[in-house]
Amino acid sequence: AQTVTQSQPEMSVQEAETVTLSCTYDTSENNYYLFWYKQPPSRQMILVIRQEAYKQQNATENRFSVNFQKAAKSFSLKISDSQLGDTAMYFCAFMGQNTGNQFYFGTGTSLTVIP
Amino acid sequence: KAGVTQTPRYLIKTRGQQVTLSCSPISGHRSVSWYQQTPGQGLQFLFEYFSETQRNKGNFPGRFSGRQFSNSRSEMNVSTLELGDSALYLCASSLGDRDGNTIYFGEGSWLTVV
Repeated sequence: AQTVTQSQPEMSVQEAETVTLSCTYDTSENNYYLFWYKQPPSRQMILVIRQEAYKQQNATENRFSVNFQKAAKSFSLKISDSQLGDTAMYFCAFMGQNTGNQFYFGTGTSLTVIP
Repeated sequence: KAGVTQTPRYLIKTRGQQVTLSCSPISGHRSVSWYQQTPGQGLQFLFEYFSETQRNKGNFPGRFSGRQFSNSRSEMNVSTLELGDSALYLCASSLGDRDGNTIYFGEGSWLTVV
């Protein structure tokens, strides 16, 4: 079974600074997909970034980038130039191959951006 | 285009009753999956439907069931409600035609069981 671990329940960062959220996972699969979702107080899950395991290049989306270390099974999210609107719960998620659209989620990291 | 729509957004039910939640996926999406979110258990996968067939199922009791219609809209039903069923129920949709499809979530249905 797949497991996803987020070891930082809460984090805070000053506005305009950079913060990194950690995520590790455990799987025996070789091909899979990793995601970071953001859940603001509205509770709607919003996709931040996705990474295909077979791609060595780290994914980036504007101020968001990941550090994907396949051998270490690590998938951290870096948020640059943090903005107040980044305040939210962040979930790391794993999706294997041939499992339909079943996510395995971590427990989340609550990020607060301080003005 | 319209996003994933879930109804109702909020509801209160009494223990022992049953509830039906509805989800309309993004137009063109054929896969609909359901998740339960609680403070204690986090986000847990309930089941996924693709082209009216259940394709995958999580570890929930048989009281939790679902179905998908020909227009890809999906419903989930919980019978004999228990206090522990109080949760945010999230629906997600995707094209579903290959691995790693981007999945889009709805705003969720808040269920409170009293």
